Amino acid sequence: GAVVSQHPSRVICKSGTSVKIECRSLDFQATTMFWYRQFPKQSLMLMATSNEGSKATYEQGVEKDKFLINHASLTLSTLTVTSAHPEDSSFYICSARSGQNTEAFFGQGTRLTVV
Amino acid sequence: SQQGEEDPQALSIQEGENATMNCSYKTSINNLQWYRQNSGRGLVHLILIRSNEREKHSGRLRVTLDTSKKSSSLLITASRAADTASYFCATTGYSTLTFGKGTMLLVSP
Repeated sequence: GAVVSQHPSRVICKSGTSVKIECRSLDFQATTMFWYRQFPKQSLMLMATSNEGSKATYEQGVEKDKFLINHASLTLSTLTVTSAHPEDSSFYICSARSGQNTEAFFGQGTRLTVV
Repeated sequence: SQQGEEDPQALSIQEGENATMNCSYKTSINNLQWYRQNSGRGLVHLILIRSNEREKHSGRLRVTLDTSKKSSSLLITASRAADTASYFCATTGYSTLTFGKGTMLLVSP
């Protein structure tokens, strides 16, 4: 089946630094990628939706200058958490799909800890 | 913004019993999907049902969709301890994929 690879799976960074998370679709072209954030024992909160070659659409309350999303190709999207703070510590998950009515496939998630 | 709402929020059953989880949503959809998530892990896609379908089966899973009531149900038959996880429904509109809060299922041996 289709696979989405997310890297890194875990990252610990110092407050004030930036962290980049990669999301790759390995055997299909992902026209749309989604980025989610999940707090412990809660559901996934959609942060932004990105279509290849265009700017990401951010959900209300998500700072686009803090969470930079780049979807430069049909197989790669990146999420950069800029000037990270401890409150940014969370589980981030990407998903990708090839078309509007197709299933979305998820990455393994990235556990970000900001110290 | 989240659209799906699952109930119950938590369900505890014995192995061999059936587990039923429900999901309601608010706006029109293209399809609805169910996912499972083991603690601290990524999501695993279980099944997708399109808006013009009413029922779908996959192994021990049975999903129904009632677009008039804007609701869906996921039935897991003959549950196993390994089915212990959180289950989420996700709805797809024109350009978004949004999740409900999930049902935490605990299957005891």
